[in-house]
Amino acid sequence: DAGVIQSPRHEVTEMGQEVTLRCKPISGHDYLFWYRQTMMRGLELLIYFNNNVPIDDSGMPEDRFSAKMPNASFSTLKIQPSEPRDSAVYFCASRQSGGSDTQYFGPGTRLTVL
Amino acid sequence: GDSVTQMEGPVTLSEEAFLTINCTYTATGYPSLFWYVQYPGEGLQLLLKATKADDKGSNKGFEATYRKETTSFHLEKGSVQVSDSAVYFCALSAGANSKLTFGKGITLSVRP
Repeated sequence: DAGVIQSPRHEVTEMGQEVTLRCKPISGHDYLFWYRQTMMRGLELLIYFNNNVPIDDSGMPEDRFSAKMPNASFSTLKIQPSEPRDSAVYFCASRQSGGSDTQYFGPGTRLTVL
Repeated sequence: GDSVTQMEGPVTLSEEAFLTINCTYTATGYPSLFWYVQYPGEGLQLLLKATKADDKGSNKGFEATYRKETTSFHLEKGSVQVSDSAVYFCALSAGANSKLTFGKGITLSVRP
């Protein structure tokens, strides 16, 4: 299996622009998680889905952030408008229910907002 | 709520030194416990896990034992290598919500 796939790997944008991060989970996994990692705050869970339905979005920092999962093989995290304090590495992870509770992480997207 | 506390870092060791990274947790019920490792420029990878008290997880020479009485899951390795240089995260998963609660992570640097 190819593992969790994220794109782009790096994104540099200017303040005020819209940013869309993409994730393809491991085939057969029914949970998908979005995390943000910064030096100051460490690793934070933003939102997670089960069977394409958002279960807990309490970690989404504000209304500028939104996430969707239109089907089992694709999810997006959108920031509109972006701000310099959104600069971070964003990770997507997936897991399969009914057994191991191990989450498998993608390589991350490093976002820089100028 | 659930929480994970890791020892403060960073940690710098010489090659072949013994490693211990402390991790304690607070959780309701009986959580599963994990160590994840993040190599430079990469995502997190599962290093090892334990799902019940007294279980020992092991992988790549690393070990950790689930100690319910001390609510701990310390990571150990008898002889570290330069290639072990990475950030190590302790985490727990409790209940049916499938969320992982992570510690802050600790950076390990191993010098030749």
